[in-house]
Amino acid sequence: EVQLVESGGVLVQSGGSLKVSCAASGFNFSRYWMHWVRQTPGKGLVWVSRINLDGGTTSYADSVKGRFTISRDNAKNTLYLQMSGLSSDDTALYYCARSRDYNYNDFDYWGQGTLVTVST
Amino acid sequence: DVQMTQSPSSVSASVGDRVTITCRASQVIARGLAWYQQKPGKAPNLLIYAASSLQRGVPSRFSGSASGTDFTLTITSLQPDDFATYYCQQASSFPPTFGGGTKVEIK
Repeated sequence: EVQLVESGGVLVQSGGSLKVSCAASGFNFSRYWMHWVRQTPGKGLVWVSRINLDGGTTSYADSVKGRFTISRDNAKNTLYLQMSGLSSDDTALYYCARSRDYNYNDFDYWGQGTLVTVST
Repeated sequence: DVQMTQSPSSVSASVGDRVTITCRASQVIARGLAWYQQKPGKAPNLLIYAASSLQRGVPSRFSGSASGTDFTLTITSLQPDDFATYYCQQASSFPPTFGGGTKVEIK
């Protein structure tokens, strides 16, 4: 059974940093592109970042570019998102998601999410 | 970025009803459109990909169609388990973008 389990979400002060993780199991993690997607009541679902199979290619939404870094450890079957320069706009539930197909950026499995709250 | 306009934002329906949700893309995305179902406190669940392909394990009462930049999710004979929020997402153009969601409520 495919499982994605996020962790690390906490309350952090504005301007602070945080690293969240996503532990994958039940599939060959190294064969899938992976993504982070965040959700808020106000802005809905917003794609944040993606990473290729070996971590050599990454992409980011303009809103997080230069502040967030996605990475992966295929030996540990774990995806990461390092966040810095956090603001209240980054308050959200952060999901990791598996890319269904390399040619299309849709997502066939999602974790349960980890909540990041940025206090002003 | 491609803007996805989803309508209606909410719909009230009864068990057994046919429900149709529409998503319009701001530019051509071919058939790169996915539909997700989300229940409160849960992650989105992929229903349809490539505009009309049913994800494994999803009931056949769910179907998707495309016409140009307009996409439709249809639920035939709504079941109690189907009351949820539905999102479209374009997957052809980078970055991927989502519609605003449609809440299907019990009438």
